[in-house]
Amino acid sequence: AQSVTQPDIHITVSEGASLELRCNYSYGATPYLFWYVQSPGQGLQLLLKYFSGDTLVQGIKGFEAEFKRSQSSFNLRKPSVHWSDAAEYFCAVGAHGAGTALIFGKGTTLSVSS
Amino acid sequence: GAGVSQTPSNKVTEKGKYVELRCDPISGHTALYWYRQSLGQGPEFLIYFQGTGAADDSGLPNDRFFAVRPEGSVSTLKIQRTERGDSAVYLCASSFSPGGGGSAYNEQFFGPGTRLTVL
Repeated sequence: AQSVTQPDIHITVSEGASLELRCNYSYGATPYLFWYVQSPGQGLQLLLKYFSGDTLVQGIKGFEAEFKRSQSSFNLRKPSVHWSDAAEYFCAVGAHGAGTALIFGKGTTLSVSS
Repeated sequence: GAGVSQTPSNKVTEKGKYVELRCDPISGHTALYWYRQSLGQGPEFLIYFQGTGAADDSGLPNDRFFAVRPEGSVSTLKIQRTERGDSAVYLCASSFSPGGGGSAYNEQFFGPGTRLTVL
């Protein structure tokens, strides 16, 4: 069965410092991989996605993620965090095929300290 | 253009009551998904519509939950005999699926959700 694990429930990062949020997935083949951000009162917003090809993908708001097949990981990174990045981040996996929904991890809450 | 909208934003009900939650997808999006997000959890899939038909309802927890999309646009999630364990944020998402097949390949756009509280 497909699953997504986000090992860190809560992370605090100083403003201007780098960030890495971890995501591990379980899937029988190469899945579609996504990172979403959820701010209070807002809907989930897609940051970036990986389908195939270059394993380093760039997203919005200066985020990037790297797909590592050998580690079944898709970690999210940002070189310099801004206070506005404080939010909840979800990694998700989608199966190849018609109509498949997304399977989400439990999320990582990011706090940014000044 | 407008995004996905959901009404009401908050719903408080008593155990045993019936509730309806509404989702207005982005115009032209043929695929519509319902998810449920419990406190401290990620969204969990409930049901997927392609057009008017429910293409996958494998995530519905039991027969108290039902959803419709009669004209292929607006969808209503219906919960009968609500229980305290149904308390959660119910999220709706829509995507444009060229060819009508639907796929996780097509970006899902999420609404802000309806927070359901069952007392």
